[in-house]
Amino acid sequence: DSGVTQTPKHLITATGQRVTLRCSPRSGDLSVYWYQQSLDQGLQFLIQYYNGEERAKGNILERFSAQQFPDLHSELNLSSLELGDSALYFCASSVGGQGNGYTFGSGTRLTVV
Amino acid sequence: GESVGLHLPTLSVQEGDNSIINCAYSNSASDYFIWYKQESGKGPQFIIDIRSNMDKRQGQRVTVLLNKTVKHLSLQIAATQPGDSAVYFCAESGANSKLTFGKGITLSVRP
Repeated sequence: DSGVTQTPKHLITATGQRVTLRCSPRSGDLSVYWYQQSLDQGLQFLIQYYNGEERAKGNILERFSAQQFPDLHSELNLSSLELGDSALYFCASSVGGQGNGYTFGSGTRLTVV
Repeated sequence: GESVGLHLPTLSVQEGDNSIINCAYSNSASDYFIWYKQESGKGPQFIIDIRSNMDKRQGQRVTVLLNKTVKHLSLQIAATQPGDSAVYFCAESGANSKLTFGKGITLSVRP
């Protein structure tokens, strides 16, 4: 157990729907990062939050959004889902905001049908 | 643009042999590099990291080498074991905090 908790582990939904993925960072970690992993794109950085505020943004689609709550857990919202959104979504956390010592969760596998 | 790439998609080694996994990066401003291991059904797991002011760092059975002149990073695994079979990713980070990952290489250990 890495200490980073992601729920749900698996999610199957239809095109056009909206889902929310949840991440609880490791105790004491203030930064949360979201990554998308697909077979043809590898691990792609989506977005980072640090202590409740957005810190960095990657190739995140406008249909996707995220937030980090006061208790430091984070949610990634994916809307108007398309078949191509099927992927593994990983959350990682770190103590600071510099990307050192990332700890990854075990991911959420999203399947859009 | 920024990119991190792995030279080979797969690597097959005999159990007990040493493994060397190579990685090239293109962002000369990167100052922090990490190797991750990902087993099936799990998230990437930190193996070892190195900063740009170093050229070598050793861990338990693993060594990371950094050659900034040619922007090359390698991971050496000594006495490779079946449990080392996984996908390995190199990642780099610069002034911002996000890590840029390579596409991954599969290490397969033959018994």
